Amino acid sequence: AQSVTQLGSHVSVSEGALVLLRCNYSSSVPPYLFWYVQYPNQGLQLLLKYTSAATLVKGINGFEAEFKKSETSFHLTKPSAHMRDAAEYFCAVTVTGGGNKLTFGTGTQLKVEL
Amino acid sequence: DAGVTQSPTHLIKTRGQQVTLRCSPKSGHDTVSWYQQALGQGPQFIFQYYEEEERQRGNFPDRFSGHQFPNYSSELNVNALLLGDSALYLCASSFRRGGSTDTQYFGPGTRLTVL
Repeated sequence: AQSVTQLGSHVSVSEGALVLLRCNYSSSVPPYLFWYVQYPNQGLQLLLKYTSAATLVKGINGFEAEFKKSETSFHLTKPSAHMRDAAEYFCAVTVTGGGNKLTFGTGTQLKVEL
Repeated sequence: DAGVTQSPTHLIKTRGQQVTLRCSPKSGHDTVSWYQQALGQGPQFIFQYYEEEERQRGNFPDRFSGHQFPNYSSELNVNALLLGDSALYLCASSFRRGGSTDTQYFGPGTRLTVL
């Protein structure tokens, strides 16, 4: 079975600073990896996904993530944080034949301070 | 183009009662998945429906059941409610032929509180 681990349940950055949210995965077969964002009282919105094409994936709102097989990681980054980026971020994994059943991490709450 | 819609938005029930939650998928989607998101946790997969049949199921008891209608909309039913069933229930839709990499679109969720 596959799983993801998100290190740091809460991350705080200053506006304009680099955002780095960590995600490590475990899978016995090649994974497909996703980052979703959840704003308060809303559902999940896809930021980006890795589907075995390019290892550096660019998403919406200036976010990107790099798939590193050797490190089993898929960390999410953004060069410059905005106040509107404050939300909860979830990393998720599925595999071929998994019927796109997603297994989520426990989430990282991003706080952006002035 | 309407996205995924869910109803009701909020629901309060007491232990032992039964509840039905509803979901309409994004236009063009034929597959509906349900997830339970407890407070402070990531969503957990409950089950997935395609062609009106349950195709996959997560680690949830039989008290959780579902249905998919010919128009692809879906219901989630929970019987004999427990306090621990209090959560945000998310519906996600996708196009099955897209396979494992197809993007799932999530609805805003139904907040269920069990007293």
